[in-house]
Formats: sequence, C-alpha cells, structure tokens
Amino acid sequence: DAGVIQSPRHEVTEMGQEVTLRCKPISGHNSLFWYRQTMMRGLELLIYFNNNVPIDDSGMPEDRFSAKMPNASFSTLKIQPSEPRDSAVYFCASRLNGLEQYFGPGTRLTVT
Amino acid sequence: AQSVSQHNHHVILSEAASLELGCNYSYGGTVNLFWYVQYPGQHLQLLLKYFSGDPLVKGIKGFEAEFIKSKFSFNLRKPSVQWSDTAEYFCAVSAGGGADGLTFGKGTHLIIQP
Repeated sequence: DAGVIQSPRHEVTEMGQEVTLRCKPISGHNSLFWYRQTMMRGLELLIYFNNNVPIDDSGMPEDRFSAKMPNASFSTLKIQPSEPRDSAVYFCASRLNGLEQYFGPGTRLTVT
Repeated sequence: AQSVSQHNHHVILSEAASLELGCNYSYGGTVNLFWYVQYPGQHLQLLLKYFSGDPLVKGIKGFEAEFIKSKFSFNLRKPSVQWSDTAEYFCAVSAGGGADGLTFGKGTHLIIQP
C-alpha cells in the first residue's frame, strides 16, 4: 500500500496568492483529516470528513481556508488569499471505521 | 472538548537509560489514546494505541504505555533507549467510538546521546 499521499511536499508562495494542497487517502479508508503543525500551536485538527462529507470544520482558522472531498480518493485544502502566518506543515491522515489514523508525509508551506 | 498535556517539552537521555514521558488528558467520557512518533524530517507514525481492555499496551520498537483512568494519564515508557529513538513524541486522544479527530499534546522532543 502506498500510504497517504500528499502533494506538493513543499510549497513557497507570496502573500496573497492562492494555495491548494492535495491528499489521496489510503484506498478503502472512509475518514479523512487535515491537520496543521506549527511551532507555536503544535498539531491542530482543521477539518475532517466521513464518507466524503465534512463533519467538523470548527478548526478551520478563517474563511480564507476551505476543504473539499469530491470523492473517496481525493481531497483538497485551499487557502485564498494566503498570509505569512499560514506558514506551517499541513498533514493529511486517513482512517478506516474508527481505528487509528495514518498520516501522510505533509506539505511544508512557506508564505513570504 | 478534549485537551492533552505533555509535561516534558525536551528530554535528553543517554543510551540505555530508561524513559518515561508523561501524558495527561482532560475529557469526561470514554477515550481512545495514542502515542505517535515523528522522526526528523518524517511523518507521524503510530507507536501504540489504547481503545479498551488491558490498560498496559505494548507498541512497536519496545515502547509501552499504561492507561490509568483514575489519573487521566497515559504515560509512555521504554526500559532502555537507543540513539535511534531521537524524535518528537506526541500523545493524542479522541473521543470513544472514534468519531472525532485527534487532539494532540504539544509534543516532547527526545534526544538520545550516544
């Protein structure tokens, strides 16, 4: 199994630009999670989906952030417009039926 | 809402020393408990988990953890650490039933000196 796949692995962009992060969960998993990791705040849950439906987006910091899961094998996290304080590592994780979560390698985002 | 507290932000040990990393959580209901490890430059990997049953759980690489419900604790232990255990360790909790995402502690940076 290829595990959770995230792209890009690194993204450098200028303030005000749109950023799209992508995630492919493990085949057959029915839950998908987006987390953000920063030095100041540690690992935070942003949003999660069950069976492609967003369940809890209370962790999404602002309206500039949006996430979609158009099908069981793909999700995006979009930031528009991006700001320097969005710089972080963004992790995607997937899970099957309430068992443990498997994390992807993360996308390191730098907004200048 | 759940919260997780890891008491030690940085720990430095010599090889072969024993390790115990503290983790306390705050939540009124049934919980699932996890320890994840993040090696330098790598993604999070599951070390061990507790859902129910025997409160002493064994994980990979010789790690174990004990769930003490009365103390709301889930401390991680290893009797003899190796240089390769240098990493960031995260304790995490989710509500029982697994319906929620994970709430993580701030992490403990462990450095093992050869």
